[in-house]
Amino acid sequence: AQTVTQSQPEMSVQEAETVTLSCTYDTSESDYYLFWYKQPPSRQMILVIRQEAYKQQNATENRFSVNFQKAAKSFSLKISDSQLGDAAMYFCAYLGNRDDKIIFGKGTRLHILP
Amino acid sequence: EPEVTQTPSHQVTQMGQEVILRCVPISNHLYFYWYRQILGQKVEFLVSFYNNEISEKSEIFDDQFSVERPDGSNFTLKIRSTKLEDSAMYFCASTLGRFPYEQYFGPGTRLTVT
Repeated sequence: AQTVTQSQPEMSVQEAETVTLSCTYDTSESDYYLFWYKQPPSRQMILVIRQEAYKQQNATENRFSVNFQKAAKSFSLKISDSQLGDAAMYFCAYLGNRDDKIIFGKGTRLHILP
Repeated sequence: EPEVTQTPSHQVTQMGQEVILRCVPISNHLYFYWYRQILGQKVEFLVSFYNNEISEKSEIFDDQFSVERPDGSNFTLKIRSTKLEDSAMYFCASTLGRFPYEQYFGPGTRLTVT
């Protein structure tokens, strides 16, 4: 069965600094998507970035980028120039090509220090 | 931009009561999902629905739960006799097709069972 592991329950970063959130996953599938979702206090799920497993190039969305290491099954999120509005819970998630359901990690709560 | 909507945003109910959570998926989407997030925990898959029938359900989705697409636009989750442990955030999601199409999440309904 596929699993997603986030080993950092909480992290803090100074405003304007860079922070990296870690995620590892386990799967036997070769084709899948990986996601990072942001959940602010409103608890809405906001898609931050996604990575297709067959693409070697790491995805980037403005200040957000990933480091996708397929062989190591690692998928970290880097947030550059951290802003107060980035404070939220961040979930790493997986969607395989044989499945309908998205599998989520337990999340990392990110605090931004002014 | 089209979006998934959910009503109500917050529902308070007494233990043993029936509740219906409503979702309006994006209009041309064909696959529909319910996920649940107990406070402080990860998001978990409940059920997927396609072509007017359940395509997959998790072990959480027992006989107390049912889903329906009554009128071609709404997608509902019914909990027949609520328990305290049903208190959670419930997210609806929809997608145009299976992998690799993106699932779009609604803003969630917070269910509180007292």
